[in-house]
Amino acid sequence: AAGVIQSPRHLIKEKRETATLKCYPIPRHDTVYWYQQGPGQDPQFLISFYEKMQSDKGSIPDRFSAQQFSDYHSELNMSSLELGDSALYFCASSGGAYNEQFFGPGTRLTVL
Amino acid sequence: TQLLEQSPQFLSIQEGENLTVYCNSSSVFSSLQWYRQEPGEGPVLLVTVVTGGEVKKLKRLTFQFGDARKDSSLHITAAQTGDTGLYLCAGVGVKGGSEKLVFGKGTKLTVNP
Repeated sequence: AAGVIQSPRHLIKEKRETATLKCYPIPRHDTVYWYQQGPGQDPQFLISFYEKMQSDKGSIPDRFSAQQFSDYHSELNMSSLELGDSALYFCASSGGAYNEQFFGPGTRLTVL
Repeated sequence: TQLLEQSPQFLSIQEGENLTVYCNSSSVFSSLQWYRQEPGEGPVLLVTVVTGGEVKKLKRLTFQFGDARKDSSLHITAAQTGDTGLYLCAGVGVKGGSEKLVFGKGTKLTVNP
């Protein structure tokens, strides 16, 4: 079965650079979520989109923005990167009645 | 703010032993999901419980949702080394729909041979 696809899997950036993470949801899933997970921590919700509109917003810094496109894929844009942005970034998609979220393999971002 | 208290945070047991992980909240959830996560990988959905008092079994794993839909437990019978991993509970608020998941802090399980 098709799963959530994220790219790139690994990304190394310098401070103050920008990064773009991509997420391709499971086919026919209409909702995409972005989470950030620091070392030894649980995933923290950043932002979500339902039918290409922002549906909820969590602890996403103003330096970050995201959108969902007409093909339902989503991109997380991160600017003015800081050392503290180094983390695993997960995308999840859902499309069922009980909001079962299926996670992608994640993008490991390292900011040097 | 809805919070999920997950316990224990760490658990180290011998192969063949039984264990229970708890997930508690003062808030009601419309559904609760259990995930297992390997280091550096995305959480993998194990089960979703929706109805108060619901019990679901997945081989040696038994999941229960509290009657009031505020708590849940995961019981593993005769643990195996392959059960080692991080177990996360996550709840969806009562409004349902496109709601973010509220995660517990996770239980890091180590099953020793």
